[in-house]
Amino acid sequence: KAGVTQTPRYLIKTRGQQVTLSCSPISGHRSVSWYQQTPGQGLQFLFEYFSETQRNKGNFPGRFSGRQFSNSRSEMNVSTLELGDSALYLCASSLRQGSSYNEQFFGPGTRLTVL
Amino acid sequence: AQRVTQPEKLLSVFKGAPVELKCNYSYSGSPELFWYVQYSRQRLQLLLRHISRESIKGFTADLNKGETSFHLKKPFAQEEDSAMYYCAPPEGYSGAGSYQLTFGKGTKLSVIP
Repeated sequence: KAGVTQTPRYLIKTRGQQVTLSCSPISGHRSVSWYQQTPGQGLQFLFEYFSETQRNKGNFPGRFSGRQFSNSRSEMNVSTLELGDSALYLCASSLRQGSSYNEQFFGPGTRLTVL
Repeated sequence: AQRVTQPEKLLSVFKGAPVELKCNYSYSGSPELFWYVQYSRQRLQLLLRHISRESIKGFTADLNKGETSFHLKKPFAQEEDSAMYYCAPPEGYSGAGSYQLTFGKGTKLSVIP
């Protein structure tokens, strides 16, 4: 079974721009969660999508948004980029809704650098 | 809000020595707890989950509800255990029948040959 894939793997943007990251879950997985990983804060939960609906949201500003398509693929968008948004963005998929009960399968991440 | 504490950022042990990675959480009555691991140049992956009570790669984790701890232990460390370890108890109920995972900041385990 193919694992979770994320595109692009690396991205360089400047402040004020916006960016869209993509995640393809494992076939059959309907839940997709997004995390931001930084050296200082570790892994922080952004949001979870299940059946095209956002089911869970972390404590991030509204500049961070996402969506899920009918084939369970998900995109994450960050508008008006700030220097502090530089991070590794991880996507994880699981069979069922609720990241606390179900094993998460992580992608390789997208490394975003904001200049 | 949920707090997850992994007090050691870095833990170095000699090969063959016992290892204990500490994790304390503030949420009570958690339905599930996980340890995730990230080996060098690999993806973050599940190591073990409390509810399954499995021992994976020689690691076990004991849930202590009184101390709200979920420490990860292994009696004899191996070089291949060197990795970043994250404890993940749930944040708490957030509606729609869903909890979100809150990861600790991680402990880097270095096993010295």
